Amino acid sequence: GENVEQHPSTLSVQEGDSAVIKCTYSDSASNYFPWYKQELGKRPQLIIDIRSNVGEKKDQRIAVTLNKTAKHFSLHITETQPEDSAVYFCAASGADKLIFGTGTRLQVFP
Amino acid sequence: NAGVTQTPKFQVLKTGQSMTLQCAQDMNHNSMYWYRQDPGMGLRLIYYSASEGTTDKGEVPNGYNVSRLNKREFSLRLESAAPSQTSVYFCASSELGGGRARFGGVAGELFFGEGSRLTVL
Repeated sequence: GENVEQHPSTLSVQEGDSAVIKCTYSDSASNYFPWYKQELGKRPQLIIDIRSNVGEKKDQRIAVTLNKTAKHFSLHITETQPEDSAVYFCAASGADKLIFGTGTRLQVFP
Repeated sequence: NAGVTQTPKFQVLKTGQSMTLQCAQDMNHNSMYWYRQDPGMGLRLIYYSASEGTTDKGEVPNGYNVSRLNKREFSLRLESAAPSQTSVYFCASSELGGGRARFGGVAGELFFGEGSRLTVL
């Protein structure tokens, strides 16, 4: 089955800097790669996703890149703000379910 | 629309007790899921139901049972609770799902409930 690894587990940046979170997956048949953000005490919510027929997708300050050959994908957040502080999860679509990474706790310091 | 509603939000059990977590969605979604969240472990899939009438094991099914009561409702039961089942449980639903063959190989956005914090003493 699918296995997703996520790094780093914690990330601290200064406000205005960029943050990058990386994930690798094992199942070459996976074709959908979403990212979820979970604020403290809240439910996870989708922030961006990418499908296997594209290599990059942007939405304002966040972007995701996908390298299917290497089986890895990354989340990029530019001009970070304190409200970006949260836990971020990557995921990959297995046969009929999403498998999540272990999460990255991002802290943005003013 | 309430989205995904799960109850109870908090529960304390003693080892060996049983309980059922209830989940309902009002978005007419086909697929429903139960995840557990533990520190440093991410979201791990317990069971899922790709469509009404079907249920399948996820990554960590041992000690749990599920029932897809109808299209709206998906319950998770702990028959004999153990301290290792102390966790935050999330129910989720998605419109798409059901496997690559059925929906063209694309999973859909998951909508999560608010979570249920379970402590087993």
